[in-house]
Amino acid sequence: DGGITQSPKYLFRKEGQNVTLSCEQNLNHDAMYWYRQDPGQGLRLIYYSQIVNDFQKGDIAEGYSVSREKKESFPLTVTSAQKNPTAFYLCASSTGQGWETQYFGPGTRLLVL
Amino acid sequence: AQSVTQPDIHITVSEGASLELRCNYSYGATPYLFWYVQSPGQGLQLLLKYFSGDTLVQGIKGFEAEFKRSQSSFNLRKPSVHWSDAAEYFCAVGSGNTGKLIFGQGTTLQVKP
Repeated sequence: DGGITQSPKYLFRKEGQNVTLSCEQNLNHDAMYWYRQDPGQGLRLIYYSQIVNDFQKGDIAEGYSVSREKKESFPLTVTSAQKNPTAFYLCASSTGQGWETQYFGPGTRLLVL
Repeated sequence: AQSVTQPDIHITVSEGASLELRCNYSYGATPYLFWYVQSPGQGLQLLLKYFSGDTLVQGIKGFEAEFKRSQSSFNLRKPSVHWSDAAEYFCAVGSGNTGKLIFGQGTTLQVKP
């Protein structure tokens, strides 16, 4: 089945630690997105990539980093510079052709120990 | 700046009753508008979208939405709610030509038996 997978489902981070969230899609989509979801704030865009080897900052990129070395993969690293990382992280993808639907993965919940 | 407002944080309706979830947007040009639904701990699923044309849009699961330019609104409706409709609903507007979405804060729907 085609879709987006995110792993792990839950992730625990210690103080000062970098952690990486995985996002893989087999939809052959060019564009991929990372959102952060906090209660009562909707979803906010962290980074997005419209093509391999290229990505742009979203509205809340500070403390995060990404890479896009393969079309299928768009990992997100939450660095130690992100002082409030506890949130639900959602990855999405789309064809990147105009305003096509974004398809979302099941999400990763990040908690701080 | 573009923005989306969902005035109702939480709504409770009885099963079988009608439903209307409100969404107001701020956008200078013709907006691309979306409604997504999220079950607890899950990713988002597209219910419907409006790009142009007929202002009454039909979606999945019996939902519909009406675009009213004069009121800058895109309200979601369903004539008869089922218990399985209990979830969080997000309205979103497409920003620019990058595929970026701006989300509202979300409305949590509770369905009473």
